[in-house]
Order: sequence, then C-alpha cells, then structure tokens
Amino acid sequence: DAKTTQPPSMDCAEGRAANLPCNHSTISGNEYVYWYRQIHSQGPQYIIHGLKNNETNEMASLIITEDRKSSTLILPHATLRDTAVYYCIVKDTGNQFYFGTGTSLTVIP
Amino acid sequence: DGGITQSPKYLFRKEGQNVTLSCEQNLNHDAMYWYRQDPGQGLRLIYYSQIVNDFQKGDIAEGYSVSREKKESFPLTVTSAQKNPTAFYLCASSPRLFLGGYTFGSGTRLTVV
Repeated sequence: DAKTTQPPSMDCAEGRAANLPCNHSTISGNEYVYWYRQIHSQGPQYIIHGLKNNETNEMASLIITEDRKSSTLILPHATLRDTAVYYCIVKDTGNQFYFGTGTSLTVIP
Repeated sequence: DGGITQSPKYLFRKEGQNVTLSCEQNLNHDAMYWYRQDPGQGLRLIYYSQIVNDFQKGDIAEGYSVSREKKESFPLTVTSAQKNPTAFYLCASSPRLFLGGYTFGSGTRLTVV
C-alpha cells in the first residue's frame, strides 16, 4: 500500500541537520503522518507523528506542508547513532501501519 | 522499565518442524502484532490481536498461527506449512488496535537449516 514516496538513501555529515523528505500526495483529511526508524537488526522505533501542524519532540521535528502533500523529518544535529532506515507512513486511526522500504540514512563522521 | 521482550533472538529450525516465537509485553497494551521482515524489504503484517482471546489474520497469515490467552503474551508459531520461513520476525504492541506509537520488540531471526 504505497501511499508514500521516500528516497531510498541519503547521507548526512555528523553534527549537521538531516532533512528526510516524504511525498504523500494522495493523503486524505483524516490521515496522520508517522515517522519510525529502524536501526539494523532491531525493531522499529516510533519518532513522531502529526496531522496538520508542525510537531517537535526530543528526537526530531516534523514539518508538514500546508497542502499536506509532503513532509520533512528533521534531525537537528545528526549523530552516528542516527544511522538507520527511516519510514514515513500515512494512516487513518482505524487502519494498520504499512511499513515500506523507507530511506536509509547514513551519518558520516 | 516497560517494554516488549522477544525470545529467542536467533532460532534455527529444520525443515518440517514447527517453532514458536515468544513475545511478552508489560506495557498493559490491549493490541499486539506480529510482522515479518525479509532482507531489504519493509514489514508485512502476519497476525494481530485486539484483545485477549481474539486475533485476526494480517496480510500474510498462511503457514502461521497465534494465540492470545493472556494480555501480556502473543506467541507466534511458524508451522511446517510456511514454505519460506527464514526471516526476521518482529512483535509489537499498542494501547489499542492500530493506535499510533507502536512499541516493537528487538526481533527474532529465524533460519531454516
């Protein structure tokens, strides 16, 4: 159920901001945008989610465009431990999560 | 600390054998899930449970079975009918069914030898 499009891979220098894009042009009004990440051979970890407004927590910021057709996850100061696969998922409250192939982020020393 | 515990971390199975993967949570979550992940692929939903003594098939349930006798436990059995069982299996839970912010276990890597 490919409701999102993400680049397959990205690099980021350690200490710099990592900006991970996600396109979800067919998102409906009731669907939230969720971000998870998966470090190699571990279970995914919830990062953040939002509906319309920008959101920030201790891990990251989520910027959603006004038309909600795309969003960006921002890791403000990337560290080597942020190297992982990042999944962008859109879903309504009553529906299951579909984890696609995500973006493989490599933080470079 | 609350969380989900999956065991074992690595499991080897001979062809034709059934194996059971353990998943225990102490988060007091009602809903639990089993996913399968193949190399370079996303996660696919095998089974899910909304509440004790209730469970539903996901997208790839053939060759698998589950039980939910206790709120804390949701074991997955990989039967001999599963033709390609070698994969990474992940268990997850959430306060209610499909409610965001899943908590995942650390996974079990099953290899058929």
